[in-house]
Amino acid sequence: DTAVSQTPKYLVTQMGNDKSIKCEQNLGHDTMYWYKQDSKKFLKIMFSYNNKELIINETVPNRFSPKSPDKAHLNLHINSLELGDSAVYFCASSQERGGGGEQFFGPGTRLTVL
Amino acid sequence: GENVEQHPSTLSVQEGDSAVIKCTYSDSASNYFPWYKQELGKGPQLIIDIRSNVGEKKDQRIAVTLNKTAKHFSLHITETQPEDSAVYFCAASRKSGTGRRALTFGSGTRLQVQP
Repeated sequence: DTAVSQTPKYLVTQMGNDKSIKCEQNLGHDTMYWYKQDSKKFLKIMFSYNNKELIINETVPNRFSPKSPDKAHLNLHINSLELGDSAVYFCASSQERGGGGEQFFGPGTRLTVL
Repeated sequence: GENVEQHPSTLSVQEGDSAVIKCTYSDSASNYFPWYKQELGKGPQLIIDIRSNVGEKKDQRIAVTLNKTAKHFSLHITETQPEDSAVYFCAASRKSGTGRRALTFGSGTRLQVQP
């Protein structure tokens, strides 16, 4: 069973388009995250939601809008895509209560903006 | 904010040798230090973690050490095997203002184990 799943796995699109990436976790975790991994493999947190509430919002352009319809889902919508948005986007989840701290990552979505 | 530096960026070892990856962090309030392994085309996966109340932790061939005074922590892999080849990330976190943790990752180390 997949713990954290993302769709699509690959996304190729033109500059200026709007696209969404979906994420679902079946671990019953309270907290979900979006990370961006650039071409140099650097991983940087973008957003974090806990029980559908935004708790971390790093310096990310407002073209990026996360949406959490329920605590098992955290989708990422990107408006007016730019070349610099090309990266691999990872969704993750963790159970904050109990103090475990471990974050479980999805397989990633490779976004290519042409 | 937290800044995590990781060295080396690439590491090549012979099968059976040991590998050591080092990280330093800047925020003295950080108290949780996980290590993640990322294989090609996959998401990072936790391999070991350590909290600030412990100086060393071991899990089979993998060990992590933490020096709070110097603000650095290291990953040690003994008896390396070809399947250990991957990119390894260190990270640090602390409770944020909302009580939630935010992970800051190092820049990654590409480990290659030569058969």
